[in-house]
Amino acid sequence: DTAVSQTPKYLVTQMGNDKSIKCEQNLGHDTMYWYKQDSKKFLKIMFSYNNKELIINETVPNRFSPKSPDKAHLNLHINSLELGDSAVYFCASSQGRTVNYGYTFGSGTRLTVV
Amino acid sequence: GQQVMQIPQYQHVQEGEDFTTYCNSSTTLSNIQWYKQRPGGHPVFLIQLVKSGEVKKQKRLTFQFGEAKKNSSLHITATQTTDVGTYFCAGGSQGNLIFGKGTKLSVKP
Repeated sequence: DTAVSQTPKYLVTQMGNDKSIKCEQNLGHDTMYWYKQDSKKFLKIMFSYNNKELIINETVPNRFSPKSPDKAHLNLHINSLELGDSAVYFCASSQGRTVNYGYTFGSGTRLTVV
Repeated sequence: GQQVMQIPQYQHVQEGEDFTTYCNSSTTLSNIQWYKQRPGGHPVFLIQLVKSGEVKKQKRLTFQFGEAKKNSSLHITATQTTDVGTYFCAGGSQGNLIFGKGTKLSVKP
């Protein structure tokens, strides 16, 4: 059983399109995250949800909208995709709301905007 | 904003050599975590350090947290080809976990 699963694994799309990435965790964790990893491997936090409540919303374009229907799911919808959105997007989860727990990452979604 | 600096950015070693990566923060951290990301893979949690001056070992890996809780290091003894990947530190500060930019380790057999 995959602990944190993301779909799709690869996503190639044209500029201007709208796309969604789904994430599910079966660890019973309370907090879920979206990270963006650029070509230089830098991991940048985008959003964090705790029990369906948004707790971190870093400076990202409002074209990015997270949705958490329940604490086991955190989806990411991206409107009007741009070339600069090309990156690997990682979903992660952790037990509890503080930083005192290790994060479990999904295998990532490689988004390529052409 | 808050940053955790990690050096070096890249390290190339011969198999059997030792390797160390360092993390530094300008402010006191509540904790430090270390992750490993294999090429094409995802970050995997290795360990967490919480106490000032703490040292933890995992086989050939030794993790240290500085006395002032502002720096940390990961040392690998006698590297193997299976150690290749990018090692990230992540410092806890004001409720956020801030990742360093990682050190990419390559090991020549």
